[in-house]
Amino acid sequence: IQLTQSPSFLSASVGDSVSMTCRASQDISNYLAWYQQKPGKAPKLLIFTASTLHTGVSSRFSGSGSGTEFTLTIDSLQPEDFATYFCQQLAVYPRTFGQGTKLEIK
Amino acid sequence: EVQVVQSGPEVRKPGTTVKISCKFSGDTFGDYYIHWMRQAPGKGLQWLGLVDPEDGDTKFGDNVQGGVTMTADPSTDIAYLELTSLRSDDTAMYFCAADTKSLGSIYLDPWGQGTQVTVSS
Repeated sequence: IQLTQSPSFLSASVGDSVSMTCRASQDISNYLAWYQQKPGKAPKLLIFTASTLHTGVSSRFSGSGSGTEFTLTIDSLQPEDFATYFCQQLAVYPRTFGQGTKLEIK
Repeated sequence: EVQVVQSGPEVRKPGTTVKISCKFSGDTFGDYYIHWMRQAPGKGLQWLGLVDPEDGDTKFGDNVQGGVTMTADPSTDIAYLELTSLRSDDTAMYFCAADTKSLGSIYLDPWGQGTQVTVSS
């Protein structure tokens, strides 16, 4: 299953709200996770089963969608949110990742 | 708290072999799958595959070359990724991550800190 993230790059300011999309080439129900990665660090889990916030993750993050289209929304951007975001499907093997959306400070 | 800690950076010459480790702690090793990912410089995440420490079963990603072996040692709670016949394009950061079987394999968490493998003559 191929995952396509858009946009590849997103420029925003502190305090803005942003959304990014992950589209699957086949129906994956809600078996989608979102991760945040900062330079030189391992990815961190944000959201699983498309919309469930992982323990300890800020409520400014939210996920939605099912089937083939999914959205990650970040409200009231904070400086620590500027990073790259990846989606991953866990519906079938082989597991696959999207190519990432890099969120940059405007 | 479940933790996975990876071995340190490695430098190898083309054509050689490297074996990196992922030490699991904080719960029962056999209750988790260990996944391996690769991230080339400036690129996205590639899922290499997983190993089930309970029975050694493995699954591999598409386009994963034959020179990749994943194993797990239940006596030490360590998973291994071995790469043979290394090429310069194997230069990347390699991550392991745990996946809870009981939840139905719905996310990867936690992740190891990453192991940098550099292949250079």
